Amino acid sequence: SQTIHQWPATLVQPVGSPLSLECTVEGTSNPNLYWYRQAAGRGLQLLFYSVGIGQISSEVPQNLSASRPQDRQFILSSKKLLLSDSGFYLCAWSFLAAGELFFGEGSRLTVL
Amino acid sequence: EDQVTQSPEALRLQEGESSSLNCSYTVSGLRGLFWYRQDPGKGPEFLFTLYSAGEEKEKERLKATLTKKESFLHITAPKPEDSATYLCAVQAGGDKIIFGKGTRLHILP
Repeated sequence: SQTIHQWPATLVQPVGSPLSLECTVEGTSNPNLYWYRQAAGRGLQLLFYSVGIGQISSEVPQNLSASRPQDRQFILSSKKLLLSDSGFYLCAWSFLAAGELFFGEGSRLTVL
Repeated sequence: EDQVTQSPEALRLQEGESSSLNCSYTVSGLRGLFWYRQDPGKGPEFLFTLYSAGEEKEKERLKATLTKKESFLHITAPKPEDSATYLCAVQAGGDKIIFGKGTRLHILP
């Protein structure tokens, strides 16, 4: 069966520090991969999605970036965090061309 | 611009009191509409996929329906364990999937 792992689960970072969140999927090949952010009262905001290695689509211009160095690995990064980057970050995967998303447990980021 | 709007934002029901949650959407070329359940501090859990108007899906006390402009999630005789945030999402052309802000459902015992 397929599983998705996301880490770290919680982190507190100062403004201006770098960020790296990692997500890996097991038990499937060539998944679509997604990063969402959930802020209070704003619902799930799509940040990036990827349909293959090295292929990243960005939905929101901001100081975040994403990379997909391997088929089942998706990384969310920032060089300098802003206060507004605080939130609950969720990684998800789907089978190619299908829409059902399977989410990780999330990473809660607090920027101080 | 593709858009998903859910209502109400929050709903409190007594145990056994049936109701419906609404999801209205504006997309060009709907490929699928999805319902998820999210418990506090957790990632959303997939419930249903609907592809075309008139389609219905059921799971325990939940039934999802779809028209050309909206979807409803009907909850029949809910129990306290049904308390959660219910999210609606749509997939238009391509691989982008857009979510609504969700409905927070609280079932009182």
